[in-house]
Amino acid sequence: DAMVIQNPRYQVTQFGKPVTLSCSQTLNHNVMYWYQQKSSQAPKLLFHYYDKDFNNEADTPDNFQSRRPNTSFCFLDIRSPGLGDAAMYLCATSRSSDRNYEQYFGPGTRLTVT
Amino acid sequence: DAKTTQPNSMESNEEEPVHLPCNHSTISGTDYIHWYRQLPSQGPEYVIHGLTSNVNNRMASLAIAEDRKSSTLILHRATLRDAAVYYCIPLIYNQGGKLIFGQGTELSVKP
Repeated sequence: DAMVIQNPRYQVTQFGKPVTLSCSQTLNHNVMYWYQQKSSQAPKLLFHYYDKDFNNEADTPDNFQSRRPNTSFCFLDIRSPGLGDAAMYLCATSRSSDRNYEQYFGPGTRLTVT
Repeated sequence: DAKTTQPNSMESNEEEPVHLPCNHSTISGTDYIHWYRQLPSQGPEYVIHGLTSNVNNRMASLAIAEDRKSSTLILHRATLRDAAVYYCIPLIYNQGGKLIFGQGTELSVKP
């Protein structure tokens, strides 16, 4: 039973062509996160939504945007992908009422930029 | 944000215990210590967390030093499926539970 679903699993886009990655969850968690993981590196937090409140990390490039139209869905928009944006993009969720904030990760979307 | 130091890699034999250390000397008094692991080609998964006391669950045990400046994740009997990168992360509770991953420890398990 998939709990955090990411579509597509693999995405190829052209340099400079906008791309959207999607994440959905069946856990009814109020917090959703987007991470970027480049090859052989640790995941890096881009931003997160606490309910409807958007929280951007200070070093996240403006090229990255996010939308959360409802509790279940969250989107990552890359406005003008560069070669350096090729990475695995991970979505995660948690529930703030759980003091431990255990995060549940999706399988990721691997983005290739040509 | 609290910084963590972990060995880059460790090796273990199957069926033997594994002790994965982590130093987090700058952790604040209210930050929980979380451990996640990432198996090859998968997203990270939660392993265990603790604040001050030692903790056990079905996956592992967590031993936290009395001064909270270090902790050790203990896998009691390593299996081949435990080969993964293990991350020790102080969780900042009042910042939406966000995780700031360090470099982690890559654990390999030999049959």
